[in-house]
Amino acid sequence: LAKTTQPISMDSYEGQEVNITCSHNNIATNDYITWYQQFPSQGPRFIIQGYKTKVTNEVASLFIPADRKSSTLSLPRVSLSDTAVYYCLVGQGGGRRALTFGSGTRLQVQP
Amino acid sequence: EPEVTQTPSHQVTQMGQEVILRCVPISNHLYFYWYRQILGQKVEFLVSFYNNEISEKSEIFDDQFSVERPDGSNFTLKIRSTKLEDSAMYFCASRNVEGGKNIQYFGAGTRLSVL
Repeated sequence: LAKTTQPISMDSYEGQEVNITCSHNNIATNDYITWYQQFPSQGPRFIIQGYKTKVTNEVASLFIPADRKSSTLSLPRVSLSDTAVYYCLVGQGGGRRALTFGSGTRLQVQP
Repeated sequence: EPEVTQTPSHQVTQMGQEVILRCVPISNHLYFYWYRQILGQKVEFLVSFYNNEISEKSEIFDDQFSVERPDGSNFTLKIRSTKLEDSAMYFCASRNVEGGKNIQYFGAGTRLSVL
């Protein structure tokens, strides 16, 4: 499994764009990069997944450079309800694999 | 949008009692999982289940724990003789066959309080 490093916490204000970067130097060729969001006392929620370049959905964008050793989750125009913990997961694809969650990035959005 | 449903949302039990946590995975999913999260700590994997058998389990998942898919829709986690340290949020997750992508969808969880 590729080890991931992401900031422990980030602060932002409503309406701003938030970028959370995750480092994964040991990513393998067949690894996907997946981000989950978790609100207090709730289960992790899948946000976005990508393999290379850029992926965008209705919630976020995921930017992956050519070397794939890092990735950036971009949340456009955050609101108070985006306050949560965000997890970057890499290298846990295929088969019946369990997911291994790290400590994630705690995003606090202020009014 | 299909979702994973867990019941009850909160379970209070006495130490030494047995509890059963219930989950209804997304209907066309084939892989099922239980995770737990002790307050303030990381989400930890317990067990995965596929084709009516355990496919992987962690060190946490000892003889105190068991899982079952009693019918075509439910997936249960039984904890025998609960201990104080079993107090945690328990999350069920499921996924479909999507090649290498392994996107798991989680329920809202059951908060287990062992007194």
